[in-house]
Amino acid sequence: AQTVTQSQPEMSVQEAETVTLSCTYDTSESDYYLFWYKQPPSRQMILVIRQEAYKQQNATENRFSVNFQKAAKSFSLKISDSQLGDAAMYFCAYRGNQGGKLIFGQGTELSVKP
Amino acid sequence: DSGVTQTPKHLITATGQRVTLRCSPRSGDLSVYWYQQSLDQGLQFLIQYYNGEERAKGNILERFSAQQFPDLHSELNLSSLELGDSALYFCASSAENRPLYGYTFGSGTRLTVV
Repeated sequence: AQTVTQSQPEMSVQEAETVTLSCTYDTSESDYYLFWYKQPPSRQMILVIRQEAYKQQNATENRFSVNFQKAAKSFSLKISDSQLGDAAMYFCAYRGNQGGKLIFGQGTELSVKP
Repeated sequence: DSGVTQTPKHLITATGQRVTLRCSPRSGDLSVYWYQQSLDQGLQFLIQYYNGEERAKGNILERFSAQQFPDLHSELNLSSLELGDSALYFCASSAENRPLYGYTFGSGTRLTVV
């Protein structure tokens, strides 16, 4: 069975600085999809960024980028120029190539200091 | 508005009671997923329906049941409620032929059992 692990329960970053959130996963599949979701205090789940496993190029969405290391089964999220609005819980998630359920990590609570 | 509608937003009920949570998926999505998020916990997959049929089951208690109707809306029924069932219950929908797009989440139903 696939698993997703986020080893950092909490992280903190200074406003305008860069922070990296870690995520590792375990799977025997060669084709799959990886996601980062943000959950602000409103508790709404918001998709931040996504990555297809067969694409070598790391995904980027404005200030958010990933470092996808397929062999190491690692999928970290880098937030550049951190803003107060980035403060939230961040979840890493895995989805198999046939679609179906998302498997989530336990989350990393990110705080941004002004 | 994400396109996924969950009602009610908040629900307070007593132990031993039964409640029904409702979800309308985004237009065109055939799959509906239910997740439970307890306090300080990650998202636990409960069940998936696809076009009216149960597709996958996760850590769903026998006291819980769900169904998806011909108009594709789904209901999650929780019975014999216990204090530990207090949680945020998310519904999400997806188009299974586009696994890269992940899920669209509803805003959740916060259930408090007293």
